[in-house]
Amino acid sequence: DGGITQSPKYLFRKEGQNVTLSCEQNLNHDAMYWYRQDPGQGLRLIYYSQIVNDFQKGDIAEGYSVSREKKESFPLTVTSAQKNPTAFYLCASSGTVRANSNQPQHFGDGTRLSIL
Amino acid sequence: SQQGEEDPQALSIQEGENATMNCSYKTSINNLQWYRQNSGRGLVHLILIRSNEREKHSGRLRVTLDTSKKSSSLLITASRAADTASYFCATAPSGGYQKVTFGTGTKLQVIP
Repeated sequence: DGGITQSPKYLFRKEGQNVTLSCEQNLNHDAMYWYRQDPGQGLRLIYYSQIVNDFQKGDIAEGYSVSREKKESFPLTVTSAQKNPTAFYLCASSGTVRANSNQPQHFGDGTRLSIL
Repeated sequence: SQQGEEDPQALSIQEGENATMNCSYKTSINNLQWYRQNSGRGLVHLILIRSNEREKHSGRLRVTLDTSKKSSSLLITASRAADTASYFCATAPSGGYQKVTFGTGTKLQVIP
């Protein structure tokens, strides 16, 4: 079955520690996204990538980093510089990006990150 | 910044009733999308309506778009307990590729 796999489902971070959230897709999608969702809130875009080896900052990129070395993978690192990392993190992908053609996004089931 | 704002924030109805959720946005769009999120899960795409469309149907879902009022509505007919979820609108601005922006969501509870 095609889809997006996020791991782990739950993650705990100690003070001063970097943690990496995994996101893998087998939908052959070009674009991938990372969102943060706080309780009762909508989604806020952290980073997105339209193509391999390229990514752009979203609305709340500070304290986060990403890489896109393979089409299938878009890992997110939450660094120690992110002072309030407790949230639900969602990864998504969508088909080929063209001007004026935002396609539906497919989402993973999220990673819930908490501070120890 | 969040462009889409859903209304109401929460909605509770009896099974079998219809549920209507509204979304307002601020700038010109290329399309508007509706998603559902079950508790603790990822979002699932429901329907996409383009800026040159006024109404679209998918099963028990009906979406309308009024670009002059910069608003959209999602109607779920004959609701079921399984429709209990949060519903989000997402707007795709016009003018080249620009990132999709999600609203704050409507939390729907369908009581059996």
